[in-house]
Amino acid sequence: DAGVTQSPTHLIKTRGQQVTLRCSPKSGHDTVSWYQQALGQGPQFIFQYYEEEERQRGNFPDRFSGHQFPNYSSELNVNALLLGDSALYLCASSFWGAYNEQFFGPGTRLTVL
Amino acid sequence: QKEVEQNSGPLSVPEGAIASLNCTYSDRGSQSFFWYRQYSGKSPELIMFIYSNGDKEDGRFTAQLNKASQYVSLLIRDSQPSDSATYLCSFPGEGGSEKLVFGKGTKLTVNP
Repeated sequence: DAGVTQSPTHLIKTRGQQVTLRCSPKSGHDTVSWYQQALGQGPQFIFQYYEEEERQRGNFPDRFSGHQFPNYSSELNVNALLLGDSALYLCASSFWGAYNEQFFGPGTRLTVL
Repeated sequence: QKEVEQNSGPLSVPEGAIASLNCTYSDRGSQSFFWYRQYSGKSPELIMFIYSNGDKEDGRFTAQLNKASQYVSLLIRDSQPSDSATYLCSFPGEGGSEKLVFGKGTKLTVNP
């Protein structure tokens, strides 16, 4: 039974570029949440997807957008990259409403130069 | 805005000792709390969650919740070098459920 998977593992981009990160939830899970973790900080909630819709959103600009597919996998898109977007991007999956069973993927390390 | 405060440490304890990690939170209405462990370069892993006042024990780990004081703690008994990691306290943010609010984490080092 595969856990949460994310791709790519690492990514290097330059300012102004766009990036797409991908996440496949744990088998059976239907909800995907995305978090940004800057160095030395705790994860910060970006948004959450359930039934292919954004259900909740944190304090992130519209440059951050996402999508959920019928197979529950999800993408995080970031446009017009800034140096400050450099972070570990974490995907977490769960059953809808079961926040006590939120499993994190290995993350994607994004570096913006 | 809901917030959670943790002593960022680092906290250093000798092997076999009890490590005590603390967290305070801003929202008196919060009902549930989670402790995640994060090894360097890895993703967070849920190790404990607690809903009720008092203690909850799981092996060497004990979570303690005091809602009146808005305080939650994690005790690790018989600390092992493999417990060396950053421990993150979290609870559901606005709207509850999956939107977790995390503290900055406390880095724990267990010295052999």
